[in-house]
Amino acid sequence: AQKVTQAQTEISVVEKEDVTLDCVYETRDTTYYLFWYKQPPSGELVFLIRRNSFDEQNEISGRYSWNFQKSTSSFNFTITASQVVDSAVYFCALSEHGNNRLAFGKGNQVVVIP
Amino acid sequence: GAVVSQHPSRVICKSGTSVKIECRSLDFQATTMFWYRQFPKKSLMLMATSNEGSKATYEQGVEKDKFLINHASLTLSTLTVTSAHPEDSSFYICSAADRGGEKLFFGSGTQLSVL
Repeated sequence: AQKVTQAQTEISVVEKEDVTLDCVYETRDTTYYLFWYKQPPSGELVFLIRRNSFDEQNEISGRYSWNFQKSTSSFNFTITASQVVDSAVYFCALSEHGNNRLAFGKGNQVVVIP
Repeated sequence: GAVVSQHPSRVICKSGTSVKIECRSLDFQATTMFWYRQFPKKSLMLMATSNEGSKATYEQGVEKDKFLINHASLTLSTLTVTSAHPEDSSFYICSAADRGGEKLFFGSGTQLSVL
């Protein structure tokens, strides 16, 4: 069974608009880690954030922010005032037991239109 | 920060040949490395966990005789695609965790094309 669900496949926004990417996860573990990665067309995975299951604080890093809600098993990601350079595929991932074996969602293709 | 180097970045080979992909942790020791596979416009699927000094652990459905993994040192894991066929064409990417498992780093990936 898929453990990470990213329902939106492709999202197009006009530059300077905000975009929110949803991530819903499924796990029976009480200790787990959630990740977001950016994959530009070049293919490499760019680390954005790692959050453990005991830390429900929301986080903001520049134009990026994350909303973690254990009650709904969601770890959503928002890009504020999007820029063309934000165009990429964004993956949400889950690691159970902290073992670094990542289960990835299907990814969100974000297209920022100038 | 720590870097994981993956080589080659791109390889084209003939059907039936074997291809070796290297994954190196450059400034940290990695007792565990991971190999993923990504088809075009698809997600990354974990293939196997590479354990230094012992056999790799393969995910269900991954042929261990097809995808040979060797983790002979604390800084190097290799994935060999044996007798490659066109359906093996894919993007392969590795990751490595530092000793404490606190940090996880990905290589830049290898695009394999089998003709």
